[in-house]
Order: sequence, then structure tokens, then C-alpha cells
Amino acid sequence: QTVVTQEPSLTVSPGGTVTLTCASSTGAVTSGYYPNWFQQKPGQAPRALIFSTNNKYSWTPARFSGSLLGGKAALTLSGVQPEDEAEYYCLLYHGGAHWVFGGGTKLTVL
Amino acid sequence: QLQLQESGPGLVKPSETLSLTCTVSGGSISSNSYYWGWVRQPPGKGLEWIGNIFYRGSTYYNPSLNSRVTISVDTSKNQFSLKLSSVTAADTAVYYCATISVAGRSFDYWGQGTLVTVSS
Repeated sequence: QTVVTQEPSLTVSPGGTVTLTCASSTGAVTSGYYPNWFQQKPGQAPRALIFSTNNKYSWTPARFSGSLLGGKAALTLSGVQPEDEAEYYCLLYHGGAHWVFGGGTKLTVL
Repeated sequence: QLQLQESGPGLVKPSETLSLTCTVSGGSISSNSYYWGWVRQPPGKGLEWIGNIFYRGSTYYNPSLNSRVTISVDTSKNQFSLKLSSVTAADTAVYYCATISVAGRSFDYWGQGTLVTVSS
């Protein structure tokens, strides 16, 4: 069974930069895994932020960016704002129209 | 912009079948641009992909749920549905429906989610 691993929690200061990563038990994450990133705040549905590694939606703040880093998918927040405190999930495509979510990273802005 | 809304019973008894419907507005479910999918989230836990369907009927399910899941489409009502059989307390979760872009391989739009509790 495929497992996608994220940091359970991270803390960042307002205005700082933080990188969240997403690894697959099947091996190095490439663009062919079409990494997606979502933000979820308590009591809300997930909100899509990044798709296909580094593509943003019209509603994605400019301070969010996606990339591949050291065999993992990565989400970088530059100039973190207090409202960025949330749970972040990655999602990887594993072929055959099958998808696997990471366990989520709880980002604290402190 | 596509909008999705889940509906269905909020309480299901153990061993019975959970049934939910997602109504799509702002676009046609018969579009070649999207798959239609379900994701769930147990209370206090992470997201789990359940499965997808293309309007022509092709389905793709999470292997861990494959034997219990059925996703179907009703193009006349612009809806798609989820059935999960033989439920247990472990199936208690918020269930979300979502669109999956064929081109972008992206989960673009989500419903607000509906809590389904499995309890006698």
C-alpha cells in the first residue's frame, strides 16, 4: 500500500519562509505524480492551492509556490501571514487514475 | 465556476449502505474536462481519496475500499453518487465531492462536505 509522508507539524514566524514536503513510498516524486497541494482550516473544506507541481489557481496567493525538491514535492510559503495557519495536504497521482493523500502538515504561525 | 453540493443521510446504521449524492451546478457533468470524485475525512484525521468517475461510466476506486464502493453518474440530473456498503464506525467521516480536471490532474472544486455518522 502506497504511503505519502508529510511533516506532521511545522512552526514559522510571521514574515518568514517555510517549506513543506511530500514524499512517496514508491520512490522519488516527479512531475508525473502531478502533485497537488491543499489548505484546510478548521471546519472548512479543503481549498486547492497548487496543481501539477507548480501551477497556481487564480485564487492562490503569490506567496505560495510549488516545486520538486530532493525527490519530494514541496510547497513553499514566503512572507508567511497569520492567516496561513492551517493544515496543508499534498496529493499524488499514482497511475491508473489512483490518488493518495499525504497525512497533512499542521502549520503554526507564531 | 463549478459548484458542488453533497446531500444524504447524516446517520447510517452499522452493516448498512451509506448513500450520498453530489449535485453539480455551473457546468455539465457530461463534460470531457472533468472526472467526478469523492474524498472523506474522519473526525480529527486526514483526507482519504475514495474514488472517481468519468461521465461515460469509467470508475476508479481506492484499493482499500474497492470491494465496498460504487460511484455512479446521473447525467439527466447533473448528479453523481457514492454508495459504501457494510459500513462500520470507521466509516464515520465528513464526505466531500470534488471535480478532478482531466488535463491538469487537479482537484479544483470541492463541495462543503457532509458528516456521516455510523451508529446504531
